[in-house]
Amino acid sequence: GDSVTQMEGPVTLSEEAFLTINCTYTATGYPSLFWYVQYPGEGLQLLLKATKADDKGSNKGFEATYRKETTSFHLEKGSVQVSDSAVYFCALSENNQGGKLIFGQGTELSVKP
Amino acid sequence: DSGVTQTPKHLITATGQRVTLRCSPRSGDLSVYWYQQSLDQGLQFLIQYYNGEERAKGNILERFSAQQFPDLHSELNLSSLELGDSALYFCASSVTLTSVPGELFFGEGSRLTVL
Repeated sequence: GDSVTQMEGPVTLSEEAFLTINCTYTATGYPSLFWYVQYPGEGLQLLLKATKADDKGSNKGFEATYRKETTSFHLEKGSVQVSDSAVYFCALSENNQGGKLIFGQGTELSVKP
Repeated sequence: DSGVTQTPKHLITATGQRVTLRCSPRSGDLSVYWYQQSLDQGLQFLIQYYNGEERAKGNILERFSAQQFPDLHSELNLSSLELGDSALYFCASSVTLTSVPGELFFGEGSRLTVL
């Protein structure tokens, strides 16, 4: 079945450091890919998305490119802030599955001043 | 604020008991999804409803059931509770089946503790 694997955390960075969180997926079809973020004590929020190969999703300085050849959707940010501390989830949704999301295990990011 | 409301926020109960979690989707959203988040299993899809009809089923135990009412709110019923059912239960909603699949709006969750 479909699955998502992302790098284990926690990841601890200093403010203004470069961030990469790796995500790879397995899917039978051509899924849409997502990054969701969960701040402490809150629900998940959509951070960015890409619906087809080579699309780049971006939001709030975060970017991820849908790479079909490597089945990857790595999350990057050039300069992290303390306020980026959260848990990040990579997810996929098959286009014929009614919108349900399959999530990776989540990566906790802690940014120190 | 996502616009998705879940109640209760916290619930403590004993093994063998039954609880009901409630979700009100965003105004206009027809689809409701339930997810379970636990430390060992991560985020697991349980079930989806679309306009009152069950649309997809995931790893939902037979002791669990759900429904979506005509006003589109949804309830998740958990019965014969076990210690392992302790988790954060999220509800999410989306507009229609033709929206970008996977673009969901999540509530803040209901934290269930089974003692």
